[in-house]
Amino acid sequence: GDSVTQMEGPVTLSEEAFLTINCTYTATGYPSLFWYVQYPGEGLQLLLKATKADDKGSNKGFEATYRKETTSFHLEKGSVQVSDSAVYFCALRTDSNYQLIWGAGTKLIIKP
Amino acid sequence: GAGVSQSPRYKVAKRGQDVALRCDPISGHVSLFWYQQALGQGPEFLTYFQNEAQLDKSGLPSDRFFAERPEGSVSTLKIQRTQQEDSAVYLCASTPGITEAFFGQGTRLTVV
Repeated sequence: GDSVTQMEGPVTLSEEAFLTINCTYTATGYPSLFWYVQYPGEGLQLLLKATKADDKGSNKGFEATYRKETTSFHLEKGSVQVSDSAVYFCALRTDSNYQLIWGAGTKLIIKP
Repeated sequence: GAGVSQSPRYKVAKRGQDVALRCDPISGHVSLFWYQQALGQGPEFLTYFQNEAQLDKSGLPSDRFFAERPEGSVSTLKIQRTQQEDSAVYLCASTPGITEAFFGQGTRLTVV
């Protein structure tokens, strides 16, 4: 069945470091891919998305490129801030389904 | 309101007690989803409504779980005879169609 695998956390970085959180997926057809973020005490928020191969989603300095050949959607940011500390979830939705399939989440801790 | 509202935010129930969790979606959003999120995990799909019709309830873990959306707006997730394994965060999301899902802050249910 469809699934999402993302790197385990927590990931701890210093401010201004480069961030990569890996996400790979298994799905039939051509899924849409998403990154959601959950800040402490808040609900899940869409961070970025990509709906077809080679699309790049971007928002708030974060980027992820839909790579069909490697079935990946890795999240990157060039220079992280303390305020980026949160839990990041990778998710997919297939053409034949409407529910989101989620990874387990990666907790990101940024130290000043 | 501007976003998806869930109540209560926190609920402690004694084992065997019935609980009802409420979701107020964004006005005009046709689709409504319930997810269950265990500690340290990604959300798991429970059920899906399109207007008042419950189109998919395949994710409900047992017949103790019941959801309704009688007028196509507010939805209630009811859990009868709660068990300790029901302890989780219950998330509600609404969408205007097959687009970005907007999430509430969730209800954290603890069964003691």
